[in-house]
Amino acid sequence: GENVEQHPSTLSVQEGDSAVIKCTYSDSASNYFPWYKQELGKRPQLIIDIRSNVGEKKDQRIAVTLNKTAKHFSLHITETQPEDSAVYFCAAMGGSGGSYIPTFGRGTSLIVHP
Amino acid sequence: EAQVTQNPRYLITVTGKKLTVTCSQNMNHEYMSWYRQDPGLGLRQIYYSMNVEVTDKGDVPEGYKVSRKEKRNFPLILESPSPNQTSLYFCASSFSGGEKLFFGSGTQLSVL
Repeated sequence: GENVEQHPSTLSVQEGDSAVIKCTYSDSASNYFPWYKQELGKRPQLIIDIRSNVGEKKDQRIAVTLNKTAKHFSLHITETQPEDSAVYFCAAMGGSGGSYIPTFGRGTSLIVHP
Repeated sequence: EAQVTQNPRYLITVTGKKLTVTCSQNMNHEYMSWYRQDPGLGLRQIYYSMNVEVTDKGDVPEGYKVSRKEKRNFPLILESPSPNQTSLYFCASSFSGGEKLFFGSGTQLSVL
């Protein structure tokens, strides 16, 4: 099955800095890669996603890049703000056999210091 | 308001006492699923359902049951809970098979 590795597990930045979280996946057939943000005590919420036919996608201060050859994708947050502090999860889906089971990374705790 | 509603939010029970966690969505989503979240392990899928009367195992189905008799409801059943099922559980739904998931508020389960 699919295996997703996420790094780093913890990321501490100063307000205004950029933050980058990277995920690697094992199944080259995976074709859908979402990112979810989970604030403390809250539910995960989708913040951005990308499909395998696209190399990059942006939404205001966040962007996701995908390198299919290397089987990795990254979340980029620019001009970080304290409200960006949360746990971020990546996931990969749609691999061999058209799987409907998203495989999640273990999460990155982002801390933005004012 | 579009939402996924889970109940209860908190549940403390004892080993072997059957329990049900309910999940309901009002967005007419075809796909519904259950996840457990454990520290350092991320989210792992327990079961999913592509449509009414269609369910399938996720990555960690052992010890759990589900049913999908109506489109809006997808309850999670623990027939004989054990302490290793102590976890935070999330229900989620989507229009299209696991993509763009909407999560419920979560159920924190403790099995003593």
